Amino acid sequence: DAGVIQSPRHEVTEMGQEVTLRCKPISGHDYLFWYRQTMMRGLELLIYFNNNVPIDDSGMPEDRFSAKMPNASFSTLKIQPSEPRDSAVYFCASSLGASFQPQHFGDGTRLSIL
Amino acid sequence: RKEVEQDPGPFNVPEGATVAFNCTYSNSASQSFFWYRQDCRKEPKLLMSVYSSGNEDGRFTAQLNRASQYISLLIRDSKLSDSATYLCVLLRAGSYQLTFGKGTKLSVIP
Repeated sequence: DAGVIQSPRHEVTEMGQEVTLRCKPISGHDYLFWYRQTMMRGLELLIYFNNNVPIDDSGMPEDRFSAKMPNASFSTLKIQPSEPRDSAVYFCASSLGASFQPQHFGDGTRLSIL
Repeated sequence: RKEVEQDPGPFNVPEGATVAFNCTYSNSASQSFFWYRQDCRKEPKLLMSVYSSGNEDGRFTAQLNRASQYISLLIRDSKLSDSATYLCVLLRAGSYQLTFGKGTKLSVIP
């Protein structure tokens, strides 16, 4: 079975540019999560969706970040404009239900903003 | 106080050793607990859930102490392949949001 698929795997861009990260959850999963991981702060939840609807975006750092889930098989996380402090590994995860269910993570996108 | 605290390590142990990690949490409303494992430059993966009565999965034993608000992970007969970062994770009651600790790094050396 295909796992969570993220693209791109790596992204290097200059500050001020728009960055779009993509995620395809596991088919049939109804929850989708976006995380950011840095050495300083560890793994932080940015936003999560249930049945394509954003439920909690309190972890989104600021208005430069936005996320969408237009259908059950696709989500995007956009940063515009990007800043060097946005450099991190961004993970997407999905689960079938949320409580007591493991979250399955994608390979992550390593983002470097120069 | 941070919601989830772990000793970052690293714990450097020889093959075959027994090693234990603790994790403390501050929110008594935390309902469910898990250990995730993250290999270097890889994604986190669920290792095991932690049940109130304690539970074992092969060489791994997890325990929960609600009164003292900590969970533990014991690894017996450590293997080189156990080298990874172990993340303590909790789920608050009534929430679908996992809270991750920063992890404890384990290196098993030959």
